[in-house]
Amino acid sequence: LAKTTQPISMDSYEGQEVNITCSHNNIATNDYITWYQQFPSQGPRFIIQGYKTKVTNEVASLFIPADRKSSTLSLPRVSLSDTAVYYCLVPVYNQGGKLIFGQGTELSVKP
Amino acid sequence: GAGVSQSPSNKVTEKGKDVELRCDPISGHTALYWYRQSLGQGLEFLIYFQGNSAPDKSGLPSDRFSAERTGGSVSTLTIQRTQQEDSAVYLCASSLETSRETQYFGPGTRLLVL
Repeated sequence: LAKTTQPISMDSYEGQEVNITCSHNNIATNDYITWYQQFPSQGPRFIIQGYKTKVTNEVASLFIPADRKSSTLSLPRVSLSDTAVYYCLVPVYNQGGKLIFGQGTELSVKP
Repeated sequence: GAGVSQSPSNKVTEKGKDVELRCDPISGHTALYWYRQSLGQGLEFLIYFQGNSAPDKSGLPSDRFSAERTGGSVSTLTIQRTQQEDSAVYLCASSLETSRETQYFGPGTRLLVL
């Protein structure tokens, strides 16, 4: 089971780029890296997924080095509304598809 | 299109009573999951449905918890003889069977056991 480790909290200011790094040293060959975002009083929301190199969508970018033992979620020019908890997950399919959520990174964006 | 819906949104009950929580997944999603999130904690997996069968019930915390799914759609999570430690937000998610890492979550049911 690929355990993930990420910072418990981060602070930023509006307009800055935020990078949240996640370690997953035991990632398996077929595993994808998935990030979810959770706002207070809401369920988590899928934001991005990648296997290697770089993935970009309208919300974020995901950078994955060649060894895939870590990944970095990049949020460009954050706003107050990006204040949320960000979870890095490495889903394990032989576990029936359940997602193992860690504590996540609580991002606080200040004006 | 409609997302995952859950009802009730809030439930207050007395210790010892039974409660039933409902989840309506996204149409066409054959995979359905229940999670629990206690105050200030991360999410805890409870059970996974593949169609109407539950190949993974490993997260159910005790035999007071049960879940069923009928018609490959709606699911109910039942908690019998509720205890105060059952107070939490119960989240339901659904996905395509071929894309189980991309799960769509409902808004949750906030359960408070007095």
